[in-house]
Amino acid sequence: ETGVTQTPRHLVMGMTNKKSLKCEQHLGHNAMYWYKQSAKKPLELMFVYSLEERVENNSVPSRFSPECPNSSHLFLHLHTLQPEDSALYLCASSQPGQGGNTEAFFGQGTRLTVV
Amino acid sequence: AQSVAQPEDQVNVAEGNPLTVKCTYSVSGNPYLFWYVQYPNRGLQFLLKYITGDNLVKGSYGFEAEFNKSQTSFHLKKPSALVSDSALYFCAVRDIWANNLFFGTGTRLTVIP
Repeated sequence: ETGVTQTPRHLVMGMTNKKSLKCEQHLGHNAMYWYKQSAKKPLELMFVYSLEERVENNSVPSRFSPECPNSSHLFLHLHTLQPEDSALYLCASSQPGQGGNTEAFFGQGTRLTVV
Repeated sequence: AQSVAQPEDQVNVAEGNPLTVKCTYSVSGNPYLFWYVQYPNRGLQFLLKYITGDNLVKGSYGFEAEFNKSQTSFHLKKPSALVSDSALYFCAVRDIWANNLFFGTGTRLTVIP
């Protein structure tokens, strides 16, 4: 266990559905991240939250909407997704205030399939 | 701009033999370098990191990595491979001005019994 928990582990949704992914960390970190992992591609950084404020959005389509209500919880709200959005979505946390040299801790991911 | 290259999609090695998984990086300043491992249907697990100091870094499960500034490389090594080391390995880089980790495409290591 890394201290970062993601739910659900697996999700199948239709293109018209609305669903949410949840991430929770108990490490006392102040930064949280969403990554997308697709086959044969580098991990794609989607969103970064630092101290509960979004600091980076790497041109992610608006059908993905993040929410960070507090430093321990991070959500990714999904709406009208496309089949190409099927991937493993990984949440991570870190404590970048220590000069950026700390590693990120990852959850086990949510395997999303859009049908 | 930051980037990481893992030139090999797949590495096969016999059990008991030494293994190397290659990584090269590009950053504008001094790099922080990381290796992660991913087992099937799992998230990424941290193995080791280079921040400063000795170029040879030791990490979890007997892995080590050597930082080479002139070659901008950070290859992962292990003296004697185990079948249980079979997994997907990711190299990552962060420069001192950024919050974010940038990952390579990953290298699948298969250790053959």
